[in-house]
Amino acid sequence: TQLLEQSPQFLSIQEGENLTVYCNSSSVFSSLQWYRQEPGEGPVLLVTVVTGGEVKKLKRLTFQFGDARKDSSLHITAAQPGDTGLYLCAGASSGGSNYKLTFGKGTLLTVNP
Amino acid sequence: ETGVTQTPRHLVMGMTNKKSLKCEQHLGHNAMYWYKQSAKKPLELMFVYSLEERVENNSVPSRFSPECPNSSHLFLHLHTLQPEDSALYLCASSQDRSTNEKLFFGSGTQLSVL
Repeated sequence: TQLLEQSPQFLSIQEGENLTVYCNSSSVFSSLQWYRQEPGEGPVLLVTVVTGGEVKKLKRLTFQFGDARKDSSLHITAAQPGDTGLYLCAGASSGGSNYKLTFGKGTLLTVNP
Repeated sequence: ETGVTQTPRHLVMGMTNKKSLKCEQHLGHNAMYWYKQSAKKPLELMFVYSLEERVENNSVPSRFSPECPNSSHLFLHLHTLQPEDSALYLCASSQDRSTNEKLFFGSGTQLSVL
């Protein structure tokens, strides 16, 4: 069974601070996705990383996929209240036509004004 | 607006009731999914439909019964549920079931079983 551990589970910071959340596994994934889920809504895909060592930037968000494709991190610079939400990582593995996506439990981020 | 609409947004039901959750996608996708999101647990995949054919059923109890009449609509029929079934039920769609496929989620139905 593939597991994704996300840390921290909860994070409360002030506006303008920087933060990093982590997604770790003992399994190798073909790709890894990050989603943000706002209260009362479904998850929305932020980014997909595919290559080991890959770094992708989305405005103030920086995503990194580990060299061994077992872990990933999300760094937010100068956090804003609009960044508040549940951040989920999901690892993809495939075998032929059988596509499987494994989700972590998420990091609940609160950015206070 | 993700192009995936779920109704109702909230549902309270007794253990003897029968209800249905509805999902509709306006994206022209070929695959649709039901996920369960419970507190302190990862999203759990329940069912997958690809081109209206059920391709995955992750050991879900028979009190949950999915139906996919066409590629745009997905239902989850509920009967004789248990209190531990209370959760957020999310519908999602994707272009197909290939690797790295982006999932588009609906806003979910928050279900409470009394």
